[in-house]
Amino acid sequence: EPEVTQTPSHQVTQMGQEVILRCVPISNHLYFYWYRQILGQKVEFLVSFYNNEISEKSEIFDDQFSVERPDGSNFTLKIRSTKLEDSAMYFCASAVAGAQETQYFGPGTRLLVL
Amino acid sequence: KNEVEQSPQNLTAQEGEFITINCSYSVGISALHWLQQHPGGGIVSLFMLSSGKKKHGRLIATINIQEKHSSLHITASHPRDSAVYICAVVSSGSARQLTFGSGTQLTVLP
Repeated sequence: EPEVTQTPSHQVTQMGQEVILRCVPISNHLYFYWYRQILGQKVEFLVSFYNNEISEKSEIFDDQFSVERPDGSNFTLKIRSTKLEDSAMYFCASAVAGAQETQYFGPGTRLLVL
Repeated sequence: KNEVEQSPQNLTAQEGEFITINCSYSVGISALHWLQQHPGGGIVSLFMLSSGKKKHGRLIATINIQEKHSSLHITASHPRDSAVYICAVVSSGSARQLTFGSGTQLTVLP
């Protein structure tokens, strides 16, 4: 069964460093999402991406964040200058166009900013 | 903005007990998800509902759109059901992003 994959599974970085989190969505999906979950808190929506552009974003998704689909398979989230409060689990999800309600989640990347 | 509230936050049950987890939301929605999150963090979708009731094995989910309320029931609970159960509502935006509840930590004791 096709699945969403994410790399790395864990990343530790120093405050101020740039990080890139990678996702490979399910191959025929056209909607892509990033969510994050700070430890002990609820999962929060960051951004959605369709047709090579951001379709929706939350107030969390400020100028420090960017997303890209650099090729036909990868979907990336870049944090330009990490802060301590960026430490969280980051989940990628994807969905078929026309059925965006049904989103398939990746296993997550646990990011720790020191 | 939709507010999603779940109760209880924590639930401990004995194996075999019938379990109910509740979810309420503030704004009308097109669909609602029940998700399961295991200790490693991974999220698995259990159900997506837009009306009525769905059943999968020992899990039953119901939704009342007029009352903006959904419940997840587990019959004959088992220790392997121990996990965090999360309710998430689908937004009305074109991307249909999810708004999540804070989750219910379920522990089923043998």
